[in-house]
Amino acid sequence: DQQVKQNSPSLSVQEGRISILNCDYTNSMFDYFLWYKKYPAEGPTFLISISSIKDKNEDGRFTVFLNKSAKHLSLHIVPSQPGDSAVYFCAASASGQNFVFGPGTRLSVLP
Amino acid sequence: NAGVMQNPRHLVRRRGQEARLRCSPMKGHSHVYWYRQLPEEGLKFMVYLQKENIIDESGMPKERFSAEFPKEGPSILRIQQVVRGDSAAYFCASSPLNSPSDYGYTFGSGTRLTVV
Repeated sequence: DQQVKQNSPSLSVQEGRISILNCDYTNSMFDYFLWYKKYPAEGPTFLISISSIKDKNEDGRFTVFLNKSAKHLSLHIVPSQPGDSAVYFCAASASGQNFVFGPGTRLSVLP
Repeated sequence: NAGVMQNPRHLVRRRGQEARLRCSPMKGHSHVYWYRQLPEEGLKFMVYLQKENIIDESGMPKERFSAEFPKEGPSILRIQQVVRGDSAAYFCASSPLNSPSDYGYTFGSGTRLTVV
């Protein structure tokens, strides 16, 4: 009973193009959402957040979109760079304190 | 201005032994969270602590696992009588009050526990 799903285990994108990573959730009580990036043998690094009062949040090359009615969020990276190659996790919370993480999507940006 | 410090980075234990994982939060952070990542899976919430208090332990297995965050010193995740299924990466994260929903947690580099 996965509450947070990332249905694409992996994604390959050409350098300079857009990367779109998707995340779906089942719990309608979730109001807070985070995206993390993780390199091998390191802890996850926070990228960007969004709460349910917004449908979009931007930070540099990273934009997160939230469609609450569809229980869907996506992370857009434009333009993609080879250093963006990592595993990306989305996470959701009802309380804003403890978060449920998805299984991750491995992004490969090809030079 | 060190980040979240976890030690050891790697820990090997035989079945039946005890494992102690330590986490020192970032300076000024009073909230600590422990997550576990099994191979090929996402991070699973285990426990959320403030100084001297367990706030939410809904993700902790009922037996053999315990966590503390004393007034002085690091947070400790303790696993008694380890079994092979406990082999995983254990991540600690910290946050100041009321920040995780805006700025996320800050994670440590994790402790990789291998039970042989």
